[in-house]
This record gives sequence, structure tokens and C-alpha cells, in this order.
Amino acid sequence: DQQVKQNSPSLSVQEGRISILNCDYTNSMFDYFLWYKKYPAEGPTFLISISSIKDKNEDGRFTVFLNKSAKHLSLHIVPSQPGDSAVYFCAASGDYGGSQGNLIFGKGTKLSVKP
Amino acid sequence: EAGVAQSPRYKIIEKRQSVAFWCNPISGHATLYWYQQILGQGPKLLIQFQNNGVVDDSQLPKDRFSAERLKGVDSTLKIQPAKLEDSAVYLCASSSHEGVIVTFGSGTRLTVV
Repeated sequence: DQQVKQNSPSLSVQEGRISILNCDYTNSMFDYFLWYKKYPAEGPTFLISISSIKDKNEDGRFTVFLNKSAKHLSLHIVPSQPGDSAVYFCAASGDYGGSQGNLIFGKGTKLSVKP
Repeated sequence: EAGVAQSPRYKIIEKRQSVAFWCNPISGHATLYWYQQILGQGPKLLIQFQNNGVVDDSQLPKDRFSAERLKGVDSTLKIQPAKLEDSAVYLCASSSHEGVIVTFGSGTRLTVV
């Protein structure tokens, strides 16, 4: 059973517009959420995170929103740039029996930003 | 700071052969992780070390996979014997404490034929 779900395998947006990537989770014990970005032939790179005590965290063009009641988070990229084209992974962590550093990843969403 | 170093970048072996991957974490990072990423999936934790002790190896197939982190710095992940389903990218990662923001290496892409 997948505890972290990214239901959109791919997303295509126009340069300058907003990109919205979605992520759902099932385990209510998760208390920290992260987004990683991955280019081909490279390892995932940390992008932004949010604690479960917050509902929004912003870093430049990137904003993550958390809706705990819906067990849903989203990553907004505004404005989108061609260099943002990559696979984005949602990950979760928490005191659910696994170790704190055990990140549970979704399957990823491939974002393509077209000039 | 230098990133997480991994070698080799690519490896092709036949099934039932053995293979080993090496990782050097970011200097000073006490926690080291090995993740397996199968094509089309997100990374999955195999084993986590805190210094040279194992914190979590619940998802490591111990009948064929082994890992060690001698002296609490470098780490080696071994597969013996390899199966076709072991084809994946093996990612090493590290963090400065048992926290949740981990830094990944570029990975080793293993193909078992």
C-alpha cells in the first residue's frame, strides 16, 4: 500500500505560468513533508519542506501548502521556468514506527515547462 | 561543501553475480542512508546508519543484501547473489543528524541481466 501518492505522472505548463504539483498521504503519523527535485542521471535534490504545524511555507518561487484534514499537500511554482523541468518527488517522515530519517516517497511527477 | 560521493556510476552484471557499491557522505554527517529506486518508483530506504551503528534495516533483503559503515564514515552496500529484480538506482544519502532533510548522491545504476 502506498502511503504517499502522486497521482499525476506528468504535468506540462507554459513558461511564466503556475505549476501545481499535488501529493496525498494516508498515514496520519507523518509530521514532516518534503519536496525533492530530480534531473536525469542525478540524485534527488531537496527543494522545500513543511512541518505539520504549519499550513504554508514559501521560498522564492516555490510554495508548499499543507491541508492536514485532507491529508493533502501541493507545491506551487510561480512563475515556472524551463529549468524547472524535472521529476518532483513528494516525501513524508514522522514518528510512525520507522526511524525519523526514513523518508517515504511518492512515485514522482514529471514536470515539463515549455518556452 | 563537497556532496555525497558514490561509485561506480554504472554497473552491469549477470544474475547470481555479486556487486558492491561505495559511498562517501558529506564530511561530518553522522547519518548515512542507502535507498533503492526502481524505475518509475520513488526511492525506498534500505538501511540507515547513525555513525557506524544500524538504526533501521527493516526493508533490507538480508538474505542477499549487506551493508557496513566501518569507522562511521564511508559505507559499502553489497548484493550477493544478484537477481533481475535488483536492477535499480542505488542512492546513498547523508544528513547531519537523525533529521529529515537528507542530501543524496548521484547514485549507481545497476543493471542485472
